[in-house]
Amino acid sequence: QVQLQESGPGLVKPSETLSLTCIVSGGSISSYYWSWIRQSPGKGLEWIGYMYDSGSTNYNPSLKSRVTISVDTSKLQFSLKLSSVTAADTAVYYCARGRRFGEFLGWFDPWGQGTLVTVSS
Amino acid sequence: QSVLTQPPSASGTPGQRVTISCSGSRSNIGSNTINWYQQLPGTAPRVVIYSNNQRPLGVPDRFSGSKSGTSASLAISGLQSEDEADYYCAAWDVTLNGVVFGGGTRLTV
Repeated sequence: QVQLQESGPGLVKPSETLSLTCIVSGGSISSYYWSWIRQSPGKGLEWIGYMYDSGSTNYNPSLKSRVTISVDTSKLQFSLKLSSVTAADTAVYYCARGRRFGEFLGWFDPWGQGTLVTVSS
Repeated sequence: QSVLTQPPSASGTPGQRVTISCSGSRSNIGSNTINWYQQLPGTAPRVVIYSNNQRPLGVPDRFSGSKSGTSASLAISGLQSEDEADYYCAAWDVTLNGVVFGGGTRLTV
């Protein structure tokens, strides 16, 4: 079965770029919405964006100007870059595989275990 | 302020049936399917209901989902202590062109 595992620095300085990678194991990287979702401490879930296997991307409008998601099919991994971070970007970041339903992204399954990224000097 | 509205808390005793509501609009629940996620303390969310009322393999049939118009609900029957978790609804929003989540409901058993 497919498993996802996030990796990356747990501490990022304000104004710098947050970079995370999600390794996909046990399955294909084709035909899915490879997604990132975050959860600020004690808060709810926020969708960040995805890259679909054709290479198309879609980002949360509130983060669009700072987000880049890419997929490396040869390495079976996908990545998140979030630039110009502030303390408000402190959160647990989850990678997830999005399943298509009709014309759009349906549900996320599975999810990675999540990684806490703290923005602080 | 979340696009989808859920009650912040719900509670029940073992064996009871509890429902969690999720309210949206024509641009999300009204035009697309709803999905429900369970987040146990300290763990990642997992899908318990997808496409309004489908259960993934491994999710007990005590969990069921329904949708009507711009609202949806998750029902858990025969409540067990291990059901104590945060539950989130989510759907695609055609206006925002992205996934929107509810604020989450903390279920206490």
